[in-house]
Amino acid sequence: KAGVTQTPRYLIKTRGQQVTLSCSPISGHRSVSWYQQTPGQGLQFLFEYFSETQRNKGNFPGRFSGRQFSNSRSEMNVSTLELGDSALYLCASSTGNSPLHFGNGTRLTVT
Amino acid sequence: AQTVTQSQPEMSVQEAETVTLSCTYDTSESDYYLFWYKQPPSRQMILVIRQEAYKQQNATENRFSVNFQKAAKSFSLKISDSQLGDSAMYFCAFLNYGGSQGNLIFGKGTKLSVKP
Repeated sequence: KAGVTQTPRYLIKTRGQQVTLSCSPISGHRSVSWYQQTPGQGLQFLFEYFSETQRNKGNFPGRFSGRQFSNSRSEMNVSTLELGDSALYLCASSTGNSPLHFGNGTRLTVT
Repeated sequence: AQTVTQSQPEMSVQEAETVTLSCTYDTSESDYYLFWYKQPPSRQMILVIRQEAYKQQNATENRFSVNFQKAAKSFSLKISDSQLGDSAMYFCAFLNYGGSQGNLIFGKGTKLSVKP
């Protein structure tokens, strides 16, 4: 069974631009979560989607948004990028009571 | 709010020896899960071990075992017979039982180096 797939692996953007990251969960997993990982703040929860509905949201500004499609694939969008948005963005999927399974992440650099 | 603390930013161990990584957490909940995840340079977070708080027996997965002390809110990870491939960042994480499965609270991590 294929794991969680995140694309792209690396991304370089300029301040003020917007970016969309993609995540394909493990087949059969309906829950997708997103995390931001930085050296200073560590791993922080962004949001979770289940059956196309946002189920939970972390403490991030409205510039961070996401969505989930009917096939459980998810995207997250960051608008008006700031230098501080440079981070590794991790996506994870789960089903039922299973632990989270993570992807390899997307490394976003904002210049 | 729950918090997870890993007090050892870095640790090293000789190959084949045993090492213990520390984790403490703070919560007012009685039912929850605790996890250890490993993050090698490939960046993927890999589940090492999971512990349900209602279980008194410590979880074990091959060379990895935990010492779960619920009253002390302590959850340490012991790695036996350390191997070079164990070198990675290790994160302790908390999940509130009954909450959404996706909202893990992570510690800051411990960087483990296994030396030949």
